[in-house]
Amino acid sequence: NAGVTQTPKFQVLKTGQSMTLQCAQDMNHNSMYWYRQDPGMGLRLIYYSASEGTTDKGEVPNGYNVSRLNKREFSLRLESAAPSQTSVYFCASRIQGVYEQYFGPGTRLTVT
Amino acid sequence: EDQVTQSPEALRLQEGESSSLNCSYTVSGLRGLFWYRQDPGKGPEFLFTLYSAGEEKEKERLKATLTKKESFLHITAPKPEDSATYLCAALKTSYDKVIFGPGTSLSVIP
Repeated sequence: NAGVTQTPKFQVLKTGQSMTLQCAQDMNHNSMYWYRQDPGMGLRLIYYSASEGTTDKGEVPNGYNVSRLNKREFSLRLESAAPSQTSVYFCASRIQGVYEQYFGPGTRLTVT
Repeated sequence: EDQVTQSPEALRLQEGESSSLNCSYTVSGLRGLFWYRQDPGKGPEFLFTLYSAGEEKEKERLKATLTKKESFLHITAPKPEDSATYLCAALKTSYDKVIFGPGTSLSVIP
């Protein structure tokens, strides 16, 4: 099993550009999550999907949209990137009935 | 407001020098407490889940404990490969709401 995979690993955007971060898991997990991690702060939840076909806002959803494409894939879209969105983005997943989340390797995004 | 804090922010230990990391939480509707390890440039790696005060979990040189207001990660005779950032996180009753602390950066010097 590859676990949770994320693409790309690194990305540099100019202010106003758009992009989609991709996440996939091969563990047959039900729930999937997008977090951002900034220096000195804990991981903060952007959006999550409790099951295929559902998505919900987390703590910091402004400026982001998500799509749960199928059970395996959960993408995060930045429609108009801003410097404040410079961060490391992590995707995570968990299986129903088990509460710990398993994380991907992250995408380091810089917006100039 | 729900909050998870960790102390110290950074810790340097000599190889073999045991110590503890602290995680304090103020969370309504707490369901459990996670510990994760994060290596530089990688995603967090799950270590433990604790569900009730008095519970303890062990893995190699690590032991996690839980009280009603805080959790400790005890590291016994650490080795350089234990160097990492250790994150704690509180699980709320909604099960999809996890609040992470900022982490403790541990360096173990040979």
